[in-house]
Amino acid sequence: SQQGEEDPQALSIQEGENATMNCSYKTSINNLQWYRQNSGRGLVHLILIRSNEREKHSGRLRVTLDTSKKSSSLLITASRAADTASYFCATLSGGFKTIFGAGTRLFVKA
Amino acid sequence: ETGVTQSPTHLIKTRGQQVTLRCSSQSGHNTVSWYQQALGQGPQFIFQYYREEENGRGNFPPRFSGLQFPNYSSELNVNALELDDSALYLCASSLRSNEQFFGPGTRLTVL
Repeated sequence: SQQGEEDPQALSIQEGENATMNCSYKTSINNLQWYRQNSGRGLVHLILIRSNEREKHSGRLRVTLDTSKKSSSLLITASRAADTASYFCATLSGGFKTIFGAGTRLFVKA
Repeated sequence: ETGVTQSPTHLIKTRGQQVTLRCSSQSGHNTVSWYQQALGQGPQFIFQYYREEENGRGNFPPRFSGLQFPNYSSELNVNALELDDSALYLCASSLRSNEQFFGPGTRLTVL
């Protein structure tokens, strides 16, 4: 079973708007990662947030982590058509096993 | 610095056949993980190799096997292919459990 579950499953927005994706997980974590995948190709690592961090920024990305609720969110500000992709959260289990959620499919309309 | 590469890009096999997928790790990385991604789903962890030894395995049957070579390149072998094995197979290399770098994937279709 998947550790992370993303919400929503799909999101369609206009260019320039903000996109927010949420992720919930089940067990204790050391860190949580977000990845992007373009059109069925390889995944690109976006950002890692550690369990003792509450918020992290990278360019137009903002990630929050609430370990008490076992949830994380990814905010993409001022979205662009090039941000159209699937976004996955992932956690590490047992020190070696990365568990991905089912992903959020983001479509940014120009 | 060379990124992670995978071959072939696409592959079509018939049920019952065997397949070998290949992955070349990023320079300096000693760990490789393999994932299966069905259409519309997130990647599912198959197994990980560290310094040529299997380091952990997901919920996949023994007909999924792997190898890691001294140069840290890797193979994923799948025997007795089933229709449900149709998926995108991704490998990712890393230095131990640090950030993973993914290859572009091999799309396997089983007919």
